[in-house]
Amino acid sequence: QVSLKESGPGILQPSQTLSLTCSFSGFSLNNYGMCVGWIRQSSGKGLEWLAHIWWNDDKYYNPSLKNRLTISKDTSTNQAFLKITNMDTADSATYYCARTLRPHWHFDFWGPGTMVTVSS
Amino acid sequence: DVQMTQSPYYLAVSPGESVSINCKASKSISKYLAWYQQRPGKVNKLLIYDGSTLQSGIPSRFSGSRSGTDFTLTIRSLESEDFGLYYCQQHNEFPFTFGSGTRLEIK
Repeated sequence: QVSLKESGPGILQPSQTLSLTCSFSGFSLNNYGMCVGWIRQSSGKGLEWLAHIWWNDDKYYNPSLKNRLTISKDTSTNQAFLKITNMDTADSATYYCARTLRPHWHFDFWGPGTMVTVSS
Repeated sequence: DVQMTQSPYYLAVSPGESVSINCKASKSISKYLAWYQQRPGKVNKLLIYDGSTLQSGIPSRFSGSRSGTDFTLTIRSLESEDFGLYYCQQHNEFPFTFGSGTRLEIK
């Protein structure tokens, strides 16, 4: 049974760095083909893909935020992480992690999302 | 980036009826389009991928089709659990992009 769950700070101030954790079960990022992606959803911009990390540690980022994003994983704890630097009020959104199984690129399992508000 | 134009924005339909939701890609994405359902309190659900492949466990009343860069999600014999938000996503090239969503409500 595949499941994912996101966790984050809930609220942070402008210019701070957002740190998100995706804890998952039912698969391992050690295994060939397994990937985890991050997507966010705001009322202003809809759903926006942010980044992906592969089982082999390859990483892909949305160019619109590339300089601000860092994705990583810890296979020993079945977690994936996303950091976004220099947060702004426009980054307020619900952040999701989801699984991708290569060679496909769609998201077959999603977490429930974690809401992040950027406010001073 | 590939722009995904989704329509309509809103649909009000009675249970038992059928509905179609459309997504148009700004350029060729081959067959690589997915459809997702979003409902309050539920995890986003993958319905269709590769344009027309039904995800395991999804009822056969859901179907997807493609004509060039135009994609359609059809839901036959709507049930109460089908009402919610629907999004398309192109999964052909980076950065992956989503449609703006269709809200499907009970009439």
